[in-house]
Amino acid sequence: RKEVEQDPGPFNVPEGATVAFNCTYSNSASQSFFWYRQDCRKEPKLLMSVYSSGNEDGRFTAQLNRASQYISLLIRDSKLSDSATYLCVVNPNNDMRFGAGTRLTVKP
Amino acid sequence: DTGVSQDPRHKITKRGQNVTFRCDPISEHNRLYWYRQTLGQGPEFLTYFQNEAQLEKSRLLSDRFSAERPKGSFSTLEIQRTEQGDSAMYLCASSSDRRWGPQHFGDGTRLSIL
Repeated sequence: RKEVEQDPGPFNVPEGATVAFNCTYSNSASQSFFWYRQDCRKEPKLLMSVYSSGNEDGRFTAQLNRASQYISLLIRDSKLSDSATYLCVVNPNNDMRFGAGTRLTVKP
Repeated sequence: DTGVSQDPRHKITKRGQNVTFRCDPISEHNRLYWYRQTLGQGPEFLTYFQNEAQLEKSRLLSDRFSAERPKGSFSTLEIQRTEQGDSAMYLCASSSDRRWGPQHFGDGTRLSIL
């Protein structure tokens, strides 16, 4: 079993749609969690940290369920510019474990 | 721009050659990481430095790979006797001393082995 698992997609949605990504992780000792965004042939960029209480940043909402070892990302009112690969990241120790990413394409 | 910088951006070399990549982290970041990413996969952890000390190495880092951070600032990653399977994007990231803080990535070095 992979340490971090994501649905690879692709998710193809129209502009304005709401889309949700899920991620599960295997190491229950993981201490911090993030969502990164990666555009084609670019480096990953931090989208948001994920806190136990859940957190929101504009159109983006992240949730963490430690009991189920599950993380989610919700994007509301999706924009064309949201098209990218979204990487779920879990930090069990000093390194970071990345999921393979979920590809999102937002279409006009 | 004071972000993470990597050099070169692209490297094409013949199988069997040695290559070296450089990473300059964000200046106030003590932690430095190397990752490898292949198409369709997320970045895979290779190694981690806290200042000049190399504290963790992945099993992915074979004997042909070596990384250094001699003065606790920039780092180099060397691959000896390159193989076709080494073709990938090599990403460097840095973070502050705050444990479990987010990492900031450089643009990466894309390695192609002919």
